[in-house]
Amino acid sequence: SQQGEEDPQALSIQEGENATMNCSYKTSINNLQWYRQNSGRGLVHLILIRSNEREKHSGRLRVTLDTSKKSSSLLITASRAADTASYFCATDELSGGSNYKLTFGKGTLLTVNP
Amino acid sequence: DAGVTQSPTHLIKTRGQQVTLRCSPKSGHDTVSWYQQALGQGPQFIFQYYEEEERQRGNFPDRFSGHQFPNYSSELNVNALLLGDSALYLCASSFRGLQGVTYEQYFGPGTRLTVT
Repeated sequence: SQQGEEDPQALSIQEGENATMNCSYKTSINNLQWYRQNSGRGLVHLILIRSNEREKHSGRLRVTLDTSKKSSSLLITASRAADTASYFCATDELSGGSNYKLTFGKGTLLTVNP
Repeated sequence: DAGVTQSPTHLIKTRGQQVTLRCSPKSGHDTVSWYQQALGQGPQFIFQYYEEEERQRGNFPDRFSGHQFPNYSSELNVNALLLGDSALYLCASSFRGLQGVTYEQYFGPGTRLTVT
């Protein structure tokens, strides 16, 4: 079952604009991660934010986490055509000690028009 | 430093057949997880292997089985293929080690399986 749900499902912007994607989840988590996927190929890890963190930056990426609302947002600033991809949030589910798996949402398809 | 590799890239099978997909983890990683991604959906966790044992399993039938070898590489086997098994199968590796788990998982390019 899907844990996270990204919003919007699709987003189309012009190059240079900022893109914001949101993710909501249902259960308590240890960490939340964002991944990018180009054209149905492998996922690229973008950023991890721990449950005790509220904001994290990496280059043009800014991620926020609100555990009280069970939500996260990914902001891409000064977007480029190369940022066109699907973006997924993934939450961890820690069980049985240190076993670990990721639960993904359905993703946001971002299109950056040149 | 080689990343996660998967083979084959594409595969076409017929209903009822069996398939084996292979994955080599990123150098230094000891844990392999497999995910199934249907078209337009996010990846779904199948199972995870560490120390050659299945450590956790998602909501997939017993037709899905796996194996991890001493060199940490892994195989995913699917028996009695159904049309609904058509998907992109992703392998992800991570380092767990003796002190517990690390959270970043590195994904391979995937194997596109089509069942006709």
